[in-house]
Amino acid sequence: KQEVTQIPAALSVPEGENLVLNCSFTDSAIYNLQWFRQDPGKGLTSLLLIQSSQREQTSGRLNASLDKSSGRSTLYIAASQPGDSATYLCAVRVSNTGKLIFGQGTTLQVKP
Amino acid sequence: GAVVSQHPSWVICKSGTSVKIECRSLDFQATTMFWYRQFPKQSLMLMATSNEGSKATYEQGVEKDKFLINHASLTLSTLTVTSAHPEDSSFYICSASMGLVNNSPLHFGNGTRLTVT
Repeated sequence: KQEVTQIPAALSVPEGENLVLNCSFTDSAIYNLQWFRQDPGKGLTSLLLIQSSQREQTSGRLNASLDKSSGRSTLYIAASQPGDSATYLCAVRVSNTGKLIFGQGTTLQVKP
Repeated sequence: GAVVSQHPSWVICKSGTSVKIECRSLDFQATTMFWYRQFPKQSLMLMATSNEGSKATYEQGVEKDKFLINHASLTLSTLTVTSAHPEDSSFYICSASMGLVNNSPLHFGNGTRLTVT
């Protein structure tokens, strides 16, 4: 059974810092891995999608890496801003039906 | 980009009543939609997979007679919480897929906050 774990559960940093969020999964047989952002009481915004054959994806200040063999992904946020404060979720796609297994999320607070 | 609209964004209902939540794909045809449930400070748990024109596939532990799913068209799936009870209070989120394309990101609605009093 696929399980996804995110560490840390919460993180507070001063504005401008670079930071790394971690995601691990127990079964390396995945189709892809997706990072999402969720603001309080809102839905999910897709940030980055990494295919199982890829090692990393970049979008602006965000960089996500994937090491499928070790069951790990990281989301790197450069020069953090208060507007980055949110909960970040990673999810793995485990079948061709599109089913996603989510981690518990990391709640990030960036202090001005 | 692909947009998924969910309605209503929040609803308060009395115990014993039924509530319908709509999930629409606005600019693409979604052959498959997914319904998730999220409790406070927890992650999303898949409830069911909704396929256009066929019966939904429910995850283990999800009561199909309580959470009725209808995917009548390629742009609309509905989730009806029947005979709602306070323990059904939660955040419900749908997502949609443009067919069984594994390299496509899934797009999510903004969620529906259900409170049962």
